[in-house]
Amino acid sequence: NAGVTQTPKFRVLKTGQSMTLLCAQDMNHEYMYWYRQDPGMGLRLIHYSVGEGTTAKGEVPDGYNVSRLKKQNFLLGLESAAPSQTSVYFCASSYDRGGGPAPFTDTQYFGPGTRLTVL
Amino acid sequence: GENVEQHPSTLSVQEGDSAVIKCTYSDSASNYFPWYKQELGKGPQLIIDIRSNVGEKKDQRIAVTLNKTAKHFSLHITETQPEDSAVYFCAAKPLATGRRALTFGSGTRLQVQP
Repeated sequence: NAGVTQTPKFRVLKTGQSMTLLCAQDMNHEYMYWYRQDPGMGLRLIHYSVGEGTTAKGEVPDGYNVSRLKKQNFLLGLESAAPSQTSVYFCASSYDRGGGPAPFTDTQYFGPGTRLTVL
Repeated sequence: GENVEQHPSTLSVQEGDSAVIKCTYSDSASNYFPWYKQELGKGPQLIIDIRSNVGEKKDQRIAVTLNKTAKHFSLHITETQPEDSAVYFCAAKPLATGRRALTFGSGTRLQVQP
């Protein structure tokens, strides 16, 4: 199993440009999350999803949109990038209802991250 | 909502010494407290967790203690090794129905000096 993968690994944008970050998991997890990590601030939740077709706002949702059209994928979109969105973005997944490779657990499994710079 | 505070922000120890990182949380309804280790250039990885019905949990050189009355929990690493150098995050999970998101502390950068 690849676990949680993120695409791309690095990206540089100009202010006002748009982009989509892709997260994929092969652990049959119900829940998926997008976090951003800034120096001295830990990880802050942007949006999350408790199942295919569902999304919900986290702690810092402004300026981002998400979609969960397929259970294994969770997309994070920036419609008009701003320098304040320069950060490292992590996707995570959790909660296997059963039948998948991971047992029912609260453990969140993280991807390797995407480093985004907005100029 | 939940607020998690973590101390210290940086910690330097000599190889073989013990390291202790402390966290406090605000929501008395939180019932799950994991610790994550993040190595340079990688995503956080769970190293140990504890639930509110347990006061202490140990896994080899790593242990976590929980004091629900005082709303704080700690990570203890004994016999530290250079490979323990990383950023460590504590987290807490609120009991809000349908939400399984974690609230993270701000992280502790542990440096183990050989």
